[in-house]
Amino acid sequence: NAGVTQTPKFQVLKTGQSMTLQCAQDMNHNSMYWYRQDPGMGLRLIYYSASEGTTDKGEVPNGYNVSRLNKREFSLRLESAAPSQTSVYFCASSRQGVSVLVGYTFGSGTRLTVV
Amino acid sequence: DQQVKQNSPSLSVQEGRISILNCDYTNSMFDYFLWYKKYPAEGPTFLISISSIKDKNEDGRFTVFLNKSAKHLSLHIVPSQPGDSAVYFCAASANTGNQFYFGTGTSLTVIP
Repeated sequence: NAGVTQTPKFQVLKTGQSMTLQCAQDMNHNSMYWYRQDPGMGLRLIYYSASEGTTDKGEVPNGYNVSRLNKREFSLRLESAAPSQTSVYFCASSRQGVSVLVGYTFGSGTRLTVV
Repeated sequence: DQQVKQNSPSLSVQEGRISILNCDYTNSMFDYFLWYKKYPAEGPTFLISISSIKDKNEDGRFTVFLNKSAKHLSLHIVPSQPGDSAVYFCAASANTGNQFYFGTGTSLTVIP
């Protein structure tokens, strides 16, 4: 099983450029999440999708949009990248509805630099 | 503003000894608490969890303790092994479980 797959692993953007981070899971999980990790800040939730067809804002949604394309895929889009969006982005999925306590499965991350 | 705090950025422990990682939270509505382990260039991996109805949960060498009155939880690793060297994050959520708040992490080094 691949688990949670994120692409690309690394990306450098110029200020104002747009891009989409892709995430796919093969565990038949119904919930998916996008987090960003910044030094000294821990992981912060950007958006989540509790189930196919729904999306909700997390702690830091400004400057991002998401699409839950189907049960497997959840993409994160930066419409006009800013240096403040330089971060490591993690996608995660979980079997919500079973137990909150089973934890999330994370992808290996996308390191994004905006210059 | 940080609802989950890990005040020790780093910890070094001798192999075979106990590692104790601490976490404090401010939101009394948090019901679920998880610990994750992260190696460099990898995503976090789920380690152990506890709900607010319990004060202790064990899984092999790992034990999590919850003190609700103090809004404090801790992760004990006994005995510590060099492979435990990683960054450990605690995370907390209210009843929906859809929004976990993460601490800033503690980097554990286990010295052989």
